[in-house]
Amino acid sequence: AQSVTQLGSHVSVSEGALVLLRCNYSSSVPPYLFWYVQYPNQGLQLLLKYTTGATLVKGINGFEAEFKKSETSFHLTKPSAHMSDAAEYFCAAGGSSASKIIFGSGTRLSIRP
Amino acid sequence: DAGVIQSPRHEVTEMGQEVTLRCKPISGHNSLFWYRQTMMRGLELLIYFNNNVPIDDSGMPEDRFSAKMPNASFSTLKIQPSEPRDSAVYFCASSPGGGEVYGYTFGSGTRLTVV
Repeated sequence: AQSVTQLGSHVSVSEGALVLLRCNYSSSVPPYLFWYVQYPNQGLQLLLKYTTGATLVKGINGFEAEFKKSETSFHLTKPSAHMSDAAEYFCAAGGSSASKIIFGSGTRLSIRP
Repeated sequence: DAGVIQSPRHEVTEMGQEVTLRCKPISGHNSLFWYRQTMMRGLELLIYFNNNVPIDDSGMPEDRFSAKMPNASFSTLKIQPSEPRDSAVYFCASSPGGGEVYGYTFGSGTRLTVV
């Protein structure tokens, strides 16, 4: 069965510092991978996705993620954190079941002034 | 595109009362998902529909929960009777065919409080 693991339920970085949120997946089939962001009191919003092709995917708000098949990883990065990036981030994977994607448990990102 | 529309945004009800949550998916999307989010259990998939047909309801916690999708533009999630432990944020999401490739679009959620 497909599963998604997010390392670290809470990550705190200083404003202007690198953001790195880790995600690993397990799948017996080539995965489709997603990152979602959830701001307080809002629904989940698609940040970026990998389907096929270029393994470095760029998303909204300056975020990007790289698909590394050998490491079964899809880590999310942003070179310079902004206060407005404070939110919950969810990694998700699809491909093993029609229509269905599996979500990780989420990582809460805090930004220190 | 108005996105996925959920109503109400907030619901406060007394234990034992019936609660109905509503969702209007994006036009043309043929898959619809109901999720529940709590601090303790995170994001849980309750049920999903393809072309108005329930495909997987294994996440529905118990018989008190039921979901329907009478047509392509409307779905309901009903809790009867409600209990305090049902307090959570309930999200509806929709996707075009192949949601596992394209991802889902989520609504803003309904925050349910059962007192």
